[in-house]
Amino acid sequence: GAGVSQSPSNKVTEKGKDVELRCDPISGHTALYWYRQRLGQGLEFLIYFQGNSAPDKSGLPSDRFSAERTGESVSTLTIQRTQQEDSAVYLCASSPAGGSRGISHTFGSGTRLTVV
Amino acid sequence: QKEVEQDPGPLSVPEGAIVSLNCTYSNSAFQYFMWYRQYSRKGPELLMYTYSSGNKEDGRFTAQVDKSSKYISLFIRDSQPSDSATYLCAMSAGGTSYGKLTFGQGTILTVHP
Repeated sequence: GAGVSQSPSNKVTEKGKDVELRCDPISGHTALYWYRQRLGQGLEFLIYFQGNSAPDKSGLPSDRFSAERTGESVSTLTIQRTQQEDSAVYLCASSPAGGSRGISHTFGSGTRLTVV
Repeated sequence: QKEVEQDPGPLSVPEGAIVSLNCTYSNSAFQYFMWYRQYSRKGPELLMYTYSSGNKEDGRFTAQVDKSSKYISLFIRDSQPSDSATYLCAMSAGGTSYGKLTFGQGTILTVHP
């Protein structure tokens, strides 16, 4: 597609439920990133996929968070047993390659998650 | 202390003003410096990208990096109402960490006609 597509755009869930957030990167982009943005805050790195390399999971805040990517296409971020502090906008980005070309992230519009 | 500090503002200026946005950082490993613009309910979009110290100009926008002071700036000349957005600085250490951007909190800018 023309841009990074994320779904759903909004998600309201009850505390304790699991949620799955989806990201479709730009076709041909080998690198994919997930960030979290809490209200009034900057973006917080979560995880980074680059081609067939092992993902960099160093930003995942707890073992309730996990992400998968199928080849160089769709990625899913899963949050298990959601807590109120998980409420945020989850942003996905992709870039043409890793290395210095990975600096230029193209972001989707995000999924706004509200845990009630 | 956060690795990247950015004054959240908000900043309100009249149309045509020169705007100065700034970030400081503590991690001397940062080599790549970026400015992103984010409109309400949208993802950030890359405005400027600078490697190491120096200046870079693109139209009305100028980015400056002073690694010795760990300080970066974005200047917007002849500001327009369409420049009203949140401006985020971001940094990367490169190497195996290219994809890990560390962001500032963002500065909310309003340019009024």
